[in-house]
Amino acid sequence: AQSVTQPDIHITVSEGASLELRCNYSYGATPYLFWYVQSPGQGLQLLLKYFSGDTLVQGIKGFEAEFKRSQSSFNLRKPSVHWSDAAEYFCAVGAVSGNKLVFGAGTILRVKS
Amino acid sequence: GAVVSQHPSRVICKSGTSVKIECRSLDFQATTMFWYRQFPKQSLMLMATSNEGSKATYEQGVEKDKFLINHASLTLSTLTVTSAHPEDSSFYICSALGPGETQYFGPGTRLLVL
Repeated sequence: AQSVTQPDIHITVSEGASLELRCNYSYGATPYLFWYVQSPGQGLQLLLKYFSGDTLVQGIKGFEAEFKRSQSSFNLRKPSVHWSDAAEYFCAVGAVSGNKLVFGAGTILRVKS
Repeated sequence: GAVVSQHPSRVICKSGTSVKIECRSLDFQATTMFWYRQFPKQSLMLMATSNEGSKATYEQGVEKDKFLINHASLTLSTLTVTSAHPEDSSFYICSALGPGETQYFGPGTRLLVL
């Protein structure tokens, strides 16, 4: 069965500092991987996705993620965090593109000025 | 592009009544939509997959007679919580399978059952 682990429940970074949010998945075949962001009381916005090809994917708002098959990881990164990035971030894995996503527990990002 | 709306954004109802939540894909057609439930400080749990013109597929443990799903057109799916009880209070989020075989999410509906 598919599963997603986001080891960090909360992360606090200073504005302007770099960010890395961890995501590990468990799946037997090549997974379809997603990162979504959720602001309080809102739905989810897609940041980026990996289906195949280049293992470093670029997303919106300056985010990128790298798929590492050997580590079963898909960590999200941003070189310089802005206060508006404070939100909850979800990593998700799907067996078939877009279908039946399994979400991680989420990581709450706080940005301090 | 790929915008999904939900209505209402918030609803308060009395115990025993039914509540309908609409999910619409505004600028694309979606043969498949999904309904999730999110408890406070928790992740999203898939409730059911809604396919246009056919019966929804429910996840294990989700009561199909309590959570009625209708996907009558390529842009609209509805979730009806029948005979709602306080334990049904939650944040319900829909998504639609859109361009690039990606799920696009609605803004969510906050349901409070008194």
